[in-house]
Amino acid sequence: DTAVSQTPKYLVTQMGNDKSIKCEQNLGHDTMYWYKQDSKKFLKIMFSYNNKELIINETVPNRFSPKSPDKAHLNLHINSLELGDSAVYFCASSQSGEQYFGPGTRLTVT
Amino acid sequence: AQSVTQPDIHITVSEGASLELRCNYSYGATPYLFWYVQSPGQGLQLLLKYFSGDTLVQGIKGFEAEFKRSQSSFNLRKPSVHWSDAAEYFCAVGSTDSWGKLQFGAGTQVVVTP
Repeated sequence: DTAVSQTPKYLVTQMGNDKSIKCEQNLGHDTMYWYKQDSKKFLKIMFSYNNKELIINETVPNRFSPKSPDKAHLNLHINSLELGDSAVYFCASSQSGEQYFGPGTRLTVT
Repeated sequence: AQSVTQPDIHITVSEGASLELRCNYSYGATPYLFWYVQSPGQGLQLLLKYFSGDTLVQGIKGFEAEFKRSQSSFNLRKPSVHWSDAAEYFCAVGSTDSWGKLQFGAGTQVVVTP
């Protein structure tokens, strides 16, 4: 069983489009995160939800909007995609400090 | 503000040789420290963590790390590397009072030669 899963694994789209990435965890964790990994492999947190409530919102453009329908799911919607949004987006979940990461979604904006 | 520095961007090591990856952190309180490994095209896998207690921690795949408060370091070691250890390694620092927010280092790429 996959602990943290993301869909899609790859996403290629044109500038200006709107897209969503979905994340699900079956670990029963209360907290979920979205991270962005840029082309230099640098990882930076974007958002965190605890029990469906937004608790971390880093300096991220308003075009990015997370949504947590329940504590097992955290989706990321991106409006008006830009070239600079190309990256790998990782979802993670945690309980008691340890974070478990999904396989990542490679987003390419052309 | 917390920060993590991995001084070595790239390390090449021969198979069977020992490996040490450096990590220095800056944090006001006692940090939670982690090492993650990322194989090409994969997600991040937790190798080991330090929360408190014994400063030498054992992880998966034969890795260990030592927390040295006086040096603000949490270096990762493996006595004998295997070709499958070629990957990107990330050190991270976090705390419970920031809802588990992790600050990652820039990563160290490890290349294993025959």
